Amino acid sequence: AQTVTQSQPEMSVQEAETVTLSCTYDTSENNYYLFWYKQPPSRQMILVIRQEAYKQQNATENRFSVNFQKAAKSFSLKISDSQLGDTAMYFCAFMGASNTGTASKLTFGTGTRLQVTL
Amino acid sequence: DVKVTQSSRYLVKRTGEKVFLECVQDMDHENMFWYRQDPGLGLRLIYFSYDVKMKEKGDIPEGYSVSREKKERFSLILESASTNQTSMYLCASTYRFSPLHFGNGTRLTVT
Repeated sequence: AQTVTQSQPEMSVQEAETVTLSCTYDTSENNYYLFWYKQPPSRQMILVIRQEAYKQQNATENRFSVNFQKAAKSFSLKISDSQLGDTAMYFCAFMGASNTGTASKLTFGTGTRLQVTL
Repeated sequence: DVKVTQSSRYLVKRTGEKVFLECVQDMDHENMFWYRQDPGLGLRLIYFSYDVKMKEKGDIPEGYSVSREKKERFSLILESASTNQTSMYLCASTYRFSPLHFGNGTRLTVT
């Protein structure tokens, strides 16, 4: 079974600064996908970024980038130039990619609550 | 844009009641999921379905059942609600290994 660990329950960052959220996972699969989701107070889960395990290049989406270390099973999220609107819960998630024909479910970490301050 | 709609945003039920949580998606996705979200525990998978009338247990299926009679609709059923089922429930859908699309969640309180 896969497990996802987020060891930082809460973090705080000042506006315009950079913050890194940590995530580690455990799996025996070789092909998989990793995700970061954001959940603002509205409760809507919003996809932030996605990484395919077979790609060595780290994914980037505007101010959001990841540091994917496959051997270490680490998948951290870096938010640059933090904005007040980045205040949210952030969840790291794992999806296996074995081609069994059944649904590929997401396994989530426990989340990191990020507060962006003035 | 994919739209996943959960029928209720807030729900209050009494212990022992049968509760139905409904979820509808409009993108013909084959896979649908029900998660439960609790503080400090993240999102935990209750049940998922990869086709009409097909269902698979997730990590915490006890006390729940599901129904998928049509591709676009996935229902979560609490046969006899209990106070420990007070939680946020999130429905999601996807096609193959694409990112999941989530509904807005239903906050259920069982008194």
